Amino acid sequence: EDQVTQSPEALRLQEGESSSLNCSYTVSGLRGLFWYRQDPGKGPEFLFTLYSAGEEKEKERLKATLTKKESFLHITAPKPEDSATYLCAVRGDSSYKLIFGSGTRLLVRP
Amino acid sequence: DAGITQSPRHKVTETGTPVTLRCHQTENHRYMYWYRQDPGHGLRLIHYSYGVKDTDKGEVSDGYSVSRSKTEDFLLTLESATSSQTSVYFCAISGGDGYTFGSGTRLTVV
Repeated sequence: EDQVTQSPEALRLQEGESSSLNCSYTVSGLRGLFWYRQDPGKGPEFLFTLYSAGEEKEKERLKATLTKKESFLHITAPKPEDSATYLCAVRGDSSYKLIFGSGTRLLVRP
Repeated sequence: DAGITQSPRHKVTETGTPVTLRCHQTENHRYMYWYRQDPGHGLRLIHYSYGVKDTDKGEVSDGYSVSRSKTEDFLLTLESATSSQTSVYFCAISGGDGYTFGSGTRLTVV
């Protein structure tokens, strides 16, 4: 059964304090690992898709990496506007469905 | 979100009444999805569609039905709403590198 576990559940950082969010997964035939950002009262906003171990993608202060068992979302020198819930999801080779983790709530204090 | 709209945005209904939520896309994507989001559970797939009149169940489909008579519209119906169906409902479409989500419908069953 495809499964995604995210940690920590919540993370508080000071502005400028770099850190990483973890996404561990088990899936039959990874067809993509997805990172989303979600602000309160809004739908998830697409950030990255990673397809194979060793792949990395960057966007502003965010960098996503992928191994065969987990993905990390590295946040470098975060700002208060980076505060949000970050969601990880996987798609396996059995269908086009996304399986989501429960998310990490990030709070960046000025 | 560009290309995908959900209606209504908010709804309060009474236990036992039927409710229909609408998802409309302008991207001509084949795949459409309905998810629900609850605290501690993340996003869970209710139903999805892989074409006009082609639908399949997700992991939490009990109490829900869907219909897709046109490529652009995907309807989610709660035949007889229960308090356990109080949630935020998101529609999504898949295409290209990522999945795009709507802004959500907050449904309260009293």
